[in-house]
Amino acid sequence: NAGVMQNPRHLVRRRGQEARLRCSPMKGHSHVYWYRQLPEEGLKFMVYLQKENIIDESGMPKERFSAEFPKEGPSILRIQQVVRGDSAAYFCASSLLGDSSGNTIYFGEGSWLTVV
Amino acid sequence: AQKITQTQPGMFVQEKEAVTLDCTYDTSDQSYGLFWYKQPSSGEMIFLIYQGSYDEQNATEGRYSLNFQKARKSANLVISASQLGDSAMYFCAMREGFLGGGGNKLTFGTGTQLKVEL
Repeated sequence: NAGVMQNPRHLVRRRGQEARLRCSPMKGHSHVYWYRQLPEEGLKFMVYLQKENIIDESGMPKERFSAEFPKEGPSILRIQQVVRGDSAAYFCASSLLGDSSGNTIYFGEGSWLTVV
Repeated sequence: AQKITQTQPGMFVQEKEAVTLDCTYDTSDQSYGLFWYKQPSSGEMIFLIYQGSYDEQNATEGRYSLNFQKARKSANLVISASQLGDSAMYFCAMREGFLGGGGNKLTFGTGTQLKVEL
């Protein structure tokens, strides 16, 4: 499967724990985007990363959330000291280029975080 | 102002009928792209159709077509011959050009829940 791979698909954490969500982009893609979908809402942009760089983090909460996309390995979205309000679906998308026309954005299947 | 507006929280359609899901958008960019995604109850985001702002023809993909009216800033999705498997949440999204920040960042609407009935 050469698509965008996210894991875990489902994650349960207790309040105060850390959550790590992983995203392996499509082969050859070096641009990764994270989105959050709260219950009954649309997807909201969080962060855009290129290999080893954060390009746009305008949608990231100021505290507890961080993202990285190292030279080797998957992109990681990290949520420290989770709270109930962090319960959501987190989607990763990837693209070959940073700015292009056409449908060049590919989504993973999402990771569902539940905070208990 | 909302960048993407989907005014129909829920829609019902009978099997084999056509249905139109509304989407209006707001941007100052001349170059932008409009997307429709389907999200079934299993949760994944399935790409359906794309329309570029400079495309003169309305996009079509099988039973899906996009009714693009640039002057009215609307990009409605038309599903012909509805099937039970079309029951899902449908999201409209926009990728803006340079003025909107560029890149492949998408702004999503709040979605329309479509239910296809026998």
